[in-house]
Amino acid sequence: SQTIHQWPATLVQPVGSPLSLECTVEGTSNPNLYWYRQAAGRGLQLLFYSVGIGQISSEVPQNLSASRPQDRQFILSSKKLLLSDSGFYLCAWSVRVGGGYTFGSGTRLTVV
Amino acid sequence: LAKTTQPVSMDSYEGQEVNITCSHNNIATNDYITWYQQFPSQGPRFIIQGYKTKVTNEVASLFIPADRKSSTLSLPRVSLSDTAVYYCLVGDPWAAGNKLTFGGGTRVLVKP
Repeated sequence: SQTIHQWPATLVQPVGSPLSLECTVEGTSNPNLYWYRQAAGRGLQLLFYSVGIGQISSEVPQNLSASRPQDRQFILSSKKLLLSDSGFYLCAWSVRVGGGYTFGSGTRLTVV
Repeated sequence: LAKTTQPVSMDSYEGQEVNITCSHNNIATNDYITWYQQFPSQGPRFIIQGYKTKVTNEVASLFIPADRKSSTLSLPRVSLSDTAVYYCLVGDPWAAGNKLTFGGGTRVLVKP
């Protein structure tokens, strides 16, 4: 069966520090991969999505970047975190055609 | 991407049926309607997806009128554990990237 792993679950980072969040998917090949962010009490904002290795589409200009070095690995990064980067970060995957998304358990990032 | 409008919040009681209506006036021919459920500090969970008329699974029913400009998620006999945020999304699951845009969702509170 397909599973999605996301880590760490929680993270507290100082302003100006780098960030690396990792997401891996098992049990499927060539999935679509996504990074979402959810601010406290708000809806989900799509940050990046990828349809294949090395293919990244950015939805909003910001202090973050994404990479897909392997088929089932999706990484969210930042060189210097801002206070406004705090939030709940969710990785998700979907099959190539049809169906819905499967989300990871999320990473709660607090920038202090 | 079709924009959706749904109530901000709804209250209900255990054992009652909860109906959440979502408006999507500019839905496109290839768009499907998908509903997700999100508990606090967790990623959204796929509930149901449909294109027209009625879809039913073990969790919910989805009613879509002929003009497809709205849809209603029906949760039968809710329990306290159904307290969550419910998101209505409209999009083409076969489109490249299959990216979905989440709105603010409907916060459902089930009371004893």
